[in-house]
Amino acid sequence: QQQVKQSPQSLIVQKGGISIINCAYENTAFDYFPWYQQFPGKGPALLIAIRPDVSEKKEGRFTISFNKSAKQFSLHIMDSQPGDSATYFCAATNTDKLIFGTGTRLQVFP
Amino acid sequence: DVKVTQSSRYLVKRTGEKVFLECVQDMDHENMFWYRQDPGLGLRLIYFSYDVKMKEKGDIPEGYSVSREKKERFSLILESASTNQTSMYLCASSLAAGSASFTVYEQYFGPGTRLTVT
Repeated sequence: QQQVKQSPQSLIVQKGGISIINCAYENTAFDYFPWYQQFPGKGPALLIAIRPDVSEKKEGRFTISFNKSAKQFSLHIMDSQPGDSATYFCAATNTDKLIFGTGTRLQVFP
Repeated sequence: DVKVTQSSRYLVKRTGEKVFLECVQDMDHENMFWYRQDPGLGLRLIYFSYDVKMKEKGDIPEGYSVSREKKERFSLILESASTNQTSMYLCASSLAAGSASFTVYEQYFGPGTRLTVT
């Protein structure tokens, strides 16, 4: 019940396309859902996060869509750029400890 | 600029050696975490500390111990390194939950230590 399932494991997108990464959770007590972005050789960094009282949050080209009834949330990257090539982790929590998904390696080709 | 630093970027140790990984944060955060990152498995929590001298086991504590003698420093110890502990180790810190801010759960990560045990 503590797991967060993330898909796909890897994603290849052409420049200008839309990248979509999906996550699903079981624990209905979770109340905070962040996405972390990790570039090679760096630690993950917070990209965007959402609480379950809203269905969507947008920051620039990055959008989280949240479906509380389905217990799913997704990250959409509009107009994907080669600089977005990184590993993305979803996470969920209702405490100090984050439960991370297994990660998605995104490659954006020019 | 907030910072989490880890003592080594790369480390090579022999089986059976005692290994110390050090992490220091300059943000006065209450919480500190140690994760290991493996391909296809994501980030798995090894240990968590919410205060000086306090620790809590994460999902995979076997073979590891931790020490937190000062608020800014959190050490991960491999008592007797084994080849299955070859991995990327990431340290993170955060404010404690309960602060009146949306970002209370944000974790700040160090750059990682790639440990190879031969």
